[in-house]
Amino acid sequence: DTEVTQTPKHLVMGMTNKKSLKCEQHMGHRAMYWYKQKAKKPPELMFVYSYEKLSINESVPSRFSPECPNSSLLNLHLHALQPEDSALYLCASSQDVSLAGEETQYFGPGTRLLVL
Amino acid sequence: GNSVTQMEGPVTLSEEAFLTINCTYTATGYPSLFWYVQYPGEGLQLLLKATKADDKGSNKGFEATYRKETTSFHLEKGSVQVSDSAVYFCALSVGNTGNQFYFGTGTSLTVIP
Repeated sequence: DTEVTQTPKHLVMGMTNKKSLKCEQHMGHRAMYWYKQKAKKPPELMFVYSYEKLSINESVPSRFSPECPNSSLLNLHLHALQPEDSALYLCASSQDVSLAGEETQYFGPGTRLLVL
Repeated sequence: GNSVTQMEGPVTLSEEAFLTINCTYTATGYPSLFWYVQYPGEGLQLLLKATKADDKGSNKGFEATYRKETTSFHLEKGSVQVSDSAVYFCALSVGNTGNQFYFGTGTSLTVIP
């Protein structure tokens, strides 16, 4: 099973709302990632968690707050977003954060976010 | 630095045509190379990968060979189908960077019957 699940599939929120995106994997992977993808663009890395600790934050604004409650679950808390934050948010996981870089990342289907 | 350059799209082919999508890279160190495919409205799916020079990755009729001398990882398929219509991303990963992926810009492929 190489499945990463994400909920919700779609989310519409106002600029004053607080919402959360959820990502789950049951492959025993120890690394999890959040990406942002705008239309017709490649995914952009936001955060990397390794063994439930934040290891990379790609200078993401503080209105995005990641959380890794356990090794299977990754959340992205959203607060006071801007319309330009509208995008597809993808979660991914890999067995580990490899020193050789050969680990495959398995992606979820994404949450399509619209900020009004 | 680390980067991937993909051929510009969109690419439109007739069914059963031969497909090549070019991908070249620059990397500090020895990268692993990947092709991912994204169907409309979906996440990315791994298509194939190669982790060292001269390795060939293959899956579902697609192939790509890791060429260190030309720093390339071109994707090929001998006979495309309508169901291959999607966006294809070339990516590299280098050790000691937190398994960070560097993606190309993506190439949109449309196969017409």
